[in-house]
Order: sequence, then C-alpha cells, then structure tokens
Amino acid sequence: EVQLVESGGGLVQPGGSLRLSCAASGFTFSSYAMGWVRQAPGKGLEWVSAISGSGGSTYFADSVKGRFTISRDNSKNTLYLQMNSLRADDTALYYCAKDLSSKSYFDYWGQGTLVTVSS
Amino acid sequence: QTVVTQEPSLTVSPGGTVTLTCASSTGAVTSGYYPNWFQQKPGQAPRALIYSTSNKHSWTPARFSGSLLGGKAVLTLSGVQPEDEAEYYCLLSYGGAQRVFGGGTKLTVL
Repeated sequence: EVQLVESGGGLVQPGGSLRLSCAASGFTFSSYAMGWVRQAPGKGLEWVSAISGSGGSTYFADSVKGRFTISRDNSKNTLYLQMNSLRADDTALYYCAKDLSSKSYFDYWGQGTLVTVSS
Repeated sequence: QTVVTQEPSLTVSPGGTVTLTCASSTGAVTSGYYPNWFQQKPGQAPRALIYSTSNKHSWTPARFSGSLLGGKAVLTLSGVQPEDEAEYYCLLSYGGAQRVFGGGTKLTVL
C-alpha cells in the first residue's frame, strides 16, 4: 500500500525558514517523480514543485522560485521541501504527492502538513 | 502568468449528466497538456480521477470520463451519484516543466 506522510509544518515568522519532509512507502521511491501541492485555507490547489525520480531535474512554480528548494533522498525514501523567505501568502496545507508517469500526475497524496506564516 | 479556468460551480440532479470544462489562457488545450482531473471532498486530500485526457485510474468509477472538446479539457459525469458532490480540479502541464491547477469547480448534487 502506497503511503505518503508529511511532517515539518508549523508556525513560522515572515522571512523565516522551514523544511518539510515526506516519508514514502509501499512503492519503489526512486522510480517515480514526486511533487508538492499546497492549498491555502478555503482556497484551491496550487502546484508548488516537482522533482524527477533521480533528483536530477527540479521544477518550481513562479510564486516560489528562488525561495523554495525541492530535494529527495532515495536511500531514505524521503522527499523534502526547503522553504526560505517565507511570506504570509505561503500559509497553506502542503501536500506531498507521487507521479505515476510523465503524463499522469499525483496518483497518490499524503494528508498534508500545515504551514502558518505569521508574526 | 498562465491561468487555467474552470466553472466556479455547477449543480446537477442525481442520475443526471454534467460536464466540467478546463481552459487555458495560452490557447486551446490539446493532448500535449496531459490534462489530469482530481476530486476533493471537504477535509480530505485530493484523489486522482483521470490522467492524460481520458485515462482512468483503477479506482475511478466508470461514470467518470475525460475528453477534449472545443479547445478545452472536459470531465463528464454520467449517472451522477450523491457521493459525487465535491470540488473538482483540472491540472495542465506546460512543456513538462510547469504544472497549473484550475481554480476548481464545486459540484452540487441536488
């Protein structure tokens, strides 16, 4: 059974940093691209970032480019999102999700971890 | 900035058929955008329904189908059930590097 479990969320001040983790199990982690999607309270889904199975290719939404970094440790079956220079509009529930293929995105999702940026 | 547009809300009667659309500000949506569709119910993580325009996941009910029509990606629900009441999101891929979600369609079954 595929499982994705996010952690690392919390309350952070504007300008601060946070690192999210996503522990994966139930599939061959290194074989699949992974990504992060966020959802602000009461709002829709926003794609944040994606990374290839090897970790050699990374992609970011314009809203987080230059501030967020995505990485993965295939030996630990873990995905990361390093978030720097956080702003109030980064407040959201952050989901980790797995791609099935280059044409099938986010077939499995975690339950999310909440990030609140506030002073 | 690329914008993906969906109907904000739709209402359908149980047993009826409803069509949700997904348009891109860059022009006609083609198969090369690999449209994906997701369902989200309150308090739950999204669930994948359709990938690459019309392909269903193993768990996708047969009453859901995807297609392209009139320059848009389309999600059709035939024989709507009360449990289909949810928010539906489309996701388009731009050049394989960027992905953009639509704003979502709130489907009410009434």
